[in-house]
Amino acid sequence: DAGVIQSPRHEVTEMGQEVTLRCKPISGHDYLFWYRQTMMRGLELLIYFNNNVPIDDSGMPEDRFSAKMPNASFSTLKIQPSEPRDSAVYFCASSLGDRNQPQHFGDGTRLSIL
Amino acid sequence: GENVEQHPSTLSVQEGDSAVIKCTYSDSASNYFPWYKQELGKRPQLIIDIRSNVGEKKDQRIAVTLNKTAKHFSLHITETQPEDSAVYFCAASSPYNQGGKLIFGQGTELSVKP
Repeated sequence: DAGVIQSPRHEVTEMGQEVTLRCKPISGHDYLFWYRQTMMRGLELLIYFNNNVPIDDSGMPEDRFSAKMPNASFSTLKIQPSEPRDSAVYFCASSLGDRNQPQHFGDGTRLSIL
Repeated sequence: GENVEQHPSTLSVQEGDSAVIKCTYSDSASNYFPWYKQELGKRPQLIIDIRSNVGEKKDQRIAVTLNKTAKHFSLHITETQPEDSAVYFCAASSPYNQGGKLIFGQGTELSVKP
């Protein structure tokens, strides 16, 4: 079991640039979640997918953020244009089945916007 | 919607002592309660979980108790060791129509002093 794989592990870029974070869920998992973690706000759910379909994007901060899941093994979270306040650790997680199942987290992407 | 409150936010204990972290939830329909441990700079990792048909579950030095009537659950760590130092998150499953979504508490930073 390779676990949830995220890339890149670290990203440093200047404000205004486009940032794309990538996630490969555990094979066979049908739920995928994107979280943002900061000291001030803790662990925030941004969006989640079920069978590649976005179910709840109410946590997406604003229109600068978008997420896609073109197939069962790949998802992206895009920020365009990026701002310094977007600096955080972004985690992807996946789970199998409906309710009562643990989420398995990737190692995260540490994003710094200068 | 579901809300999860976690206390305390920080906890400091001496090595060998016990540590207890408590969480309350608001939605009586929640029936799955995982606990995650996050070491500095790493991803949240599942350490134990409990489902609503069980009142207590143990795994070596870790135990979780659930009181569905009072809508609270607790993590108990006995014989604490320095490597138990981390941030611990509780979570509760969302209402049925929100699928695999988990609602996380704010986290407890546990420090075990040698």
